[in-house]
Amino acid sequence: GAVVSQHPSRVICKSGTSVKIECRSLDFQATTMFWYRQFPKQSLMLMATSNEGSKATYEQGVEKDKFLINHASLTLSTLTVTSAHPEDSSFYICSAGLAETYEQYFGPGTRLTVT
Amino acid sequence: LAKTTQPISMDSYEGQEVNITCSHNNIATNDYITWYQQFPSQGPRFIIQGYKTKVTNEVASLFIPADRKSSTLSLPRVSLSDTAVYYCLVGGMNTGFQKLVFGTGTRLLVSP
Repeated sequence: GAVVSQHPSRVICKSGTSVKIECRSLDFQATTMFWYRQFPKQSLMLMATSNEGSKATYEQGVEKDKFLINHASLTLSTLTVTSAHPEDSSFYICSAGLAETYEQYFGPGTRLTVT
Repeated sequence: LAKTTQPISMDSYEGQEVNITCSHNNIATNDYITWYQQFPSQGPRFIIQGYKTKVTNEVASLFIPADRKSSTLSLPRVSLSDTAVYYCLVGGMNTGFQKLVFGTGTRLLVSP
């Protein structure tokens, strides 16, 4: 149980375009999901906390207008990178929280390359 | 969340026991200690969690001394597939979702 999926697993887009990444909890409902970014050889950095039915909470230094988060259902949160630039190329990972235990389960990640 | 300190990297050989120690001097009373494993281009995978003394599961053991200012992840008889980055995190449980603050992690390389 407690499986989290992400789609797509990898995406290449051109500079200036937007790309949407989906995070789904497959076998449980997640009122809270988290989005992380990881650059090569670096650790995961929390970008934002996504709560179902309300606005996301962004970490300091993360532009909310550039990284749009929507958590419209208990099993789906989306991260949209708007007007992507090459420096946005990174590995984006989501986690979904299990309310009963407050444990977080991570998705497999999405590799974004902006050309 | 309490800051954690781990060795940047460790080397080992197949079949050996590997112990990775994490320091968390400012751990709070309600903080648990959790270890994650991450392979390249994959999301972190939960390994083990504990509060005090010793916890063992099918893949690892976690040793926590009485003062809880450090913890040691023990991997018995590692194989090549255990080559990964291991992260130690501390945070409260049963008090709402905690922001997971990942430190640098320990890059374990297992050689034949």
